[in-house]
Amino acid sequence: QLQLQESGPGLVKPSETLPLNCTVSGGSVSSSSYYWGWIRQPPGKGLEWIGTIYYNGNTYYNPSLKSRLTISVDSSKNQFALKLSSVTAADTAVYYCATLHRTAVGGKVGSWFDPWGQGTLVTVSS
Amino acid sequence: QSVLAQPPSVSEAPRQRVTISCSGSSSNIGNNAVNWYQQLPEKAPKLLIYYDDLLSSGVSDRFSGSKSGTSASLAISGLQSEDEADYYCAAWDDSLNGYVFGTGTKVTVL
Repeated sequence: QLQLQESGPGLVKPSETLPLNCTVSGGSVSSSSYYWGWIRQPPGKGLEWIGTIYYNGNTYYNPSLKSRLTISVDSSKNQFALKLSSVTAADTAVYYCATLHRTAVGGKVGSWFDPWGQGTLVTVSS
Repeated sequence: QSVLAQPPSVSEAPRQRVTISCSGSSSNIGNNAVNWYQQLPEKAPKLLIYYDDLLSSGVSDRFSGSKSGTSASLAISGLQSEDEADYYCAAWDDSLNGYVFGTGTKVTVL
């Protein structure tokens, strides 16, 4: 049974880089069965997809964050990571990592996140 | 900048039925399966429905999903106080080449 856990600093200064890791247990980040993703939720607001990575390194980024975003996989630690540069107060949010499943049967394509990590609050402030 | 539109809130009495709508476009709901997530207060989202109408493991069969064209719906029957939560629809978007969430709907049990 897959389990994910986010880790990283709870406070980041404006203009600096936000680094987060997601440790996967019960499965391998090198598996071709899954994709790995990041989602965030500003306080009191809705969910925003940040980006997704496949085991082979293929990445999919939210266009609104693409210029500041790097997502990578570290097979040796069974982790995947997020780095968001030049952060501002608008990047303050709970950040979640999650497993993305993708399938296509009879021409019907589906993608869903399950399970999710518990989330970690990152505040951008000086 | 959610591209999937949901009503901000719905409310109903216990044991009644509520339906939450999710409106998208041909690049997302119209061409990809829809999923629904439940987020209880101060908790991480949890998958409820995937691939339009499949119930996630362990989820009560009081929840059901459907889709028609570029719109989808989540129905909750036999409403219970424990169903008070935020609900989000979501799907892959071919134009964005990424995942999009709905604006979210808060369900209140009167």
